Amino acid sequence: DAGVIQSPRHEVTEMGQEVTLRCKPISGHNSLFWYRQTMMRGLELLIYFNNNVPIDDSGMPEDRFSAKMPNASFSTLKIQPSEPRDSAVYFCASSSRTDYGYTFGSGTRLTVV
Amino acid sequence: GQQVMQIPQYQHVQEGEDFTTYCNSSTTLSNIQWYKQRPGGHPVFLIQLVKSGEVKKQKRLTFQFGEAKKNSSLHITATQTTDVGTYFCEPNDYKLSFGAGTTVTVRA
Repeated sequence: DAGVIQSPRHEVTEMGQEVTLRCKPISGHNSLFWYRQTMMRGLELLIYFNNNVPIDDSGMPEDRFSAKMPNASFSTLKIQPSEPRDSAVYFCASSSRTDYGYTFGSGTRLTVV
Repeated sequence: GQQVMQIPQYQHVQEGEDFTTYCNSSTTLSNIQWYKQRPGGHPVFLIQLVKSGEVKKQKRLTFQFGEAKKNSSLHITATQTTDVGTYFCEPNDYKLSFGAGTTVTVRA
């Protein structure tokens, strides 16, 4: 089992550019979460999918952020346009049940300059 | 979203000593999970507690869930340098955020 796979590991982009982060959850896991981690705000839940359907996106900061899960094995988090305050580590996590431990990916460190 | 409170925020421990970190909620929790994040790494699931008063052990780590299911603790005995990192509790409700974590540093 390769675990939760995120790409890219690092992304440096200029303000105003579109950024797409990718996640492949563990096969068989039906819950997928996108988190953002910063020193100031800690780990924040952005959006939660269950069986590919977005259940709660109340954590998405603003309309510049969007997330999709077209199938059970792939999800994307897109920021358009990106801003320096979006700089953070973005984690994807998956779980076989919402009431058990999540497996996190290694994260994408995003820097917007 | 609502967040559990973790104390202390930072814990500086002499190698070989014991310490405890606490996780407190104002509401009753269905269960609680603990994670460890090494510096530069990602959170790794450690354990889930479900029952009132439950105690679980993993080698030198002892996890406890309060009788009222509103608090939890993690006790580490004989701290080692490998224990360095941030320990998070998570109330196992996606609507509730991870706690801010307890960041542990170890003096050799």
